Amino acid sequence: DIQMTQSPASLSASLGETVTIECRASEDIYSNLAWYQQKPGNSPQLLIYDANSLADGVPSRFSGSGSGTQYSLKINSLQSEDVASYFCQQYNNYPFTFGSGTKLEIK
Amino acid sequence: EVQLVESGGGLVQPGRSLKLSCAASGFTFSNYYMAWVRQAPKKGLEWVATISTSGSRTYYPDSVKGRFTISRDNAKSSLYLQMNSLKSEDTATYYCARPMLPGYNYVPFAYWGQGTLVTVSS
Repeated sequence: DIQMTQSPASLSASLGETVTIECRASEDIYSNLAWYQQKPGNSPQLLIYDANSLADGVPSRFSGSGSGTQYSLKINSLQSEDVASYFCQQYNNYPFTFGSGTKLEIK
Repeated sequence: EVQLVESGGGLVQPGRSLKLSCAASGFTFSNYYMAWVRQAPKKGLEWVATISTSGSRTYYPDSVKGRFTISRDNAKSSLYLQMNSLKSEDTATYYCARPMLPGYNYVPFAYWGQGTLVTVSS
């Protein structure tokens, strides 16, 4: 199974700041990587797919990058509505696996 | 508008069975692989099962293989998850999820239901 190691586990930042979340796969996943946002009490929502493609309706302050085994999600100009947990997921191989999540809070 | 509505969750004793349902609407159900993903309380996400468009192929992680069965009824636009020999570690909110593209399974999940909570406890 491909292990997804996500960091940090939690993050506190100020409004307007830029934050970055990292995800490392245990083997090459050929950019078959998605990022999801889950706001408290809600279902996950797709933010980024294929490592760097923005899903429909997602604000452009979200961006993804990476290749091989190393990937990152960047949020520019942090806003209050970005308070959520963020998860990476590989869909290169079964079993599909997720990172353990990053909880983002506003300072 | 794509809608996925899960039902069937509840409290069940260890070793017993439970069947979850997901009613889909707003898209051509038979064109999409479908999946179940679960989330234990305050924990991360775990993919549980995927089924092909016709139902002929199914995929499971080792943690549920042999105990859970995913199925679908394309005429009713419905997805199911039969869970047998339930364990306390199966306690989670179970989400029905639709992939981003029709006919593909190696793609992310673009739509998720609101989830149904399964609690396994004596």
